[in-house]
Amino acid sequence: AQKITQTQPGMFVQEKEAVTLDCTYDTSDQSYGLFWYKQPSSGEMIFLIYQGSYDEQNATEGRYSLNFQKARKSANLVISASQLGDSAMYFCAMREATDSWGKLQFGAGTQVVVTP
Amino acid sequence: EPEVTQTPSHQVTQMGQEVILRCVPISNHLYFYWYRQILGQKVEFLVSFYNNEISEKSEIFDDQFSVERPDGSNFTLKIRSTKLEDSAMYFCASAGPGGGAGELFFGEGSRLTVL
Repeated sequence: AQKITQTQPGMFVQEKEAVTLDCTYDTSDQSYGLFWYKQPSSGEMIFLIYQGSYDEQNATEGRYSLNFQKARKSANLVISASQLGDSAMYFCAMREATDSWGKLQFGAGTQVVVTP
Repeated sequence: EPEVTQTPSHQVTQMGQEVILRCVPISNHLYFYWYRQILGQKVEFLVSFYNNEISEKSEIFDDQFSVERPDGSNFTLKIRSTKLEDSAMYFCASAGPGGGAGELFFGEGSRLTVL
């Protein structure tokens, strides 16, 4: 079974608009972490935001926020005020407590294209 | 800003050849990882390394793969006899002393093409 599901293979968004990227996860661990990474066309993996399963507040980092709904097992990424430079592949990932610390399980990704 | 660096950025090799991919993690980091991403597919965990030994490896990480930290700064991934299906982007990552709750720092990747 897929641990991380990203149902949107691709999205177009207009500059300055907000976009929500969906991510659902599957785990039986009580303690886990959720990550979002950005991968531009150049290929590097850029960390965006992290949410721990016990964190009561939704994580925010600048224009990025994570809409964490624990009961629904969803961890959607919201990018506010999209910029052309936000065009990239976005990956949701999870670390389960039973795995070694840096072992992340990634979703298939969502390709975002920001248009002028 | 400290960063993880990887060399080479791109390597082309013949099937059956040995390949070594090199990584310089962030200097005070203690936890090291390799991931791979086959073109158009998801990023997959290969191996984690701590205290000079493998702490976890995936089923992908078979006997053809090995890792080592030969000199306290470099962290290498060796593929002994490359196969066509080893063609992928290989990412090195590192994490700080406590592991921490957050960021895992990735390098820019090494693209391996096996012909």
